[in-house]
Amino acid sequence: AQSVTQPDIHITVSEGASLELRCNYSYGATPYLFWYVQSPGQGLQLLLKYFSGDTLVQGIKGFEAEFKRSQSSFNLRKPSVHWSDAAEYFCEIYNFNKFYFGSGTKLNVKP
Amino acid sequence: EAQVTQNPRYLITVTGKKLTVTCSQNMNHEYMSWYRQDPGLGLRQIYYSMNVEVTDKGDVPEGYKVSRKEKRNFPLILESPSPNQTSLYFCASSPFLGDRGLYEQYFGPGTRLTVT
Repeated sequence: AQSVTQPDIHITVSEGASLELRCNYSYGATPYLFWYVQSPGQGLQLLLKYFSGDTLVQGIKGFEAEFKRSQSSFNLRKPSVHWSDAAEYFCEIYNFNKFYFGSGTKLNVKP
Repeated sequence: EAQVTQNPRYLITVTGKKLTVTCSQNMNHEYMSWYRQDPGLGLRQIYYSMNVEVTDKGDVPEGYKVSRKEKRNFPLILESPSPNQTSLYFCASSPFLGDRGLYEQYFGPGTRLTVT
């Protein structure tokens, strides 16, 4: 069965520091990959997506993600975190008509 | 404005009292889906629909029903709610692109359900 793993439940970074959120998936072929952000009390907003082609994808709010087939990973990065980035982040895969989410990573930003 | 709407946004009910959460999208999307979000578990898919009259189970369908009689609407029905169905529910839609599959999902604002 397909699965998505986000190994970090909580991450705290200082404002201005770099950020990397990890995502690993379990599936034989390359699924479609997505990152979403959920601010407190809000719905989900798409940050970026990967379907094929260039393995480094750019998203909104200065985020990027790199697909590594050999590691079955799709890690999310941002070079300089802002206080407004504090939220919960979800990795998602699509395969065969279904969507699968990771359990999420809560990001806390220290002033 | 392109959007997915859900109603109600908040609902408190008692065990066994049937309820329906409505979901509607105005983007002419083929694919619609329901999720529940629980702390530490992320979002889990309950049911999905590829088109009118075509529905299928997700990962956690027990205790839920859905119907898709019109393309824009996809209601979630809890015939006999129980306390373990207390959760935050999201509806989503996505355009179907034939051989290319589906693209990203567009989510509703969520419905917080409490079953006592």
